[in-house]
Amino acid sequence: QSALTQPASVSGSPGQSITISCTGTSSDVGSYNLVSWYQQHPGKAPKLMIYEGSKRPSGVSNRFSGSKSGNTASLTISGLQAEDEADYYCCSYAGSSTYVVFGGGTKLTVL
Amino acid sequence: QVQLQESGPGLVKPSETLSLTCAVSGYSISSGYYWGWIRQPPGKGLEWIGSIYHSGSTYYNPSLKSRVTISVDTSKNQFSLKLSSVTAADTAVYYCARQGMVRGVIMNAWFDPWGQGTLVTVSS
Repeated sequence: QSALTQPASVSGSPGQSITISCTGTSSDVGSYNLVSWYQQHPGKAPKLMIYEGSKRPSGVSNRFSGSKSGNTASLTISGLQAEDEADYYCCSYAGSSTYVVFGGGTKLTVL
Repeated sequence: QVQLQESGPGLVKPSETLSLTCAVSGYSISSGYYWGWIRQPPGKGLEWIGSIYHSGSTYYNPSLKSRVTISVDTSKNQFSLKLSSVTAADTAVYYCARQGMVRGVIMNAWFDPWGQGTLVTVSS
């Protein structure tokens, strides 16, 4: 069982927006603005999409955005495109004994 | 451009020690950052194994701590993972990645870039 809870799957049609939630606790997501999000296509390494809650690395589309409220972080993808179909993982810093925790992953299907 | 490449045996026997190396190019490990290992069992999610600071300080997943050793060789610009007493549950794709910092010292929770990953199967 993963430390952070994500929905197993979400889906949306091209052009729509979807949001993936990532629920942790006051020991990780709730205490630090250090949540990152990764996109992983089949057979490929994960790709960093969002870091420190809402920052986008250079080269990542502005259709991807991140936010946080309490113990829950969220990834929103607007203007869904076929190439967005992938698995998405959240990750959070969890303090000086646990350090890093991942979510279980969410499979995004573009209908 | 920073690149990472994992290498090591693809097959390890139960009870033996898994050993992998991550070669870094385009950046000197001794210049900074944390350097981490993450694994992904077939069809499952990501699990952080542990990280090493460029100075050599190590940080491990509490659930794996008793079996994990991460070390760095700055002369070869690479870092390594050893996981002892492996079982079939340790079968996974193992990734190495550069890990970020906060204010230049504190561990962050972003990993970028990643190596391509290497599948390690535990089987007799």
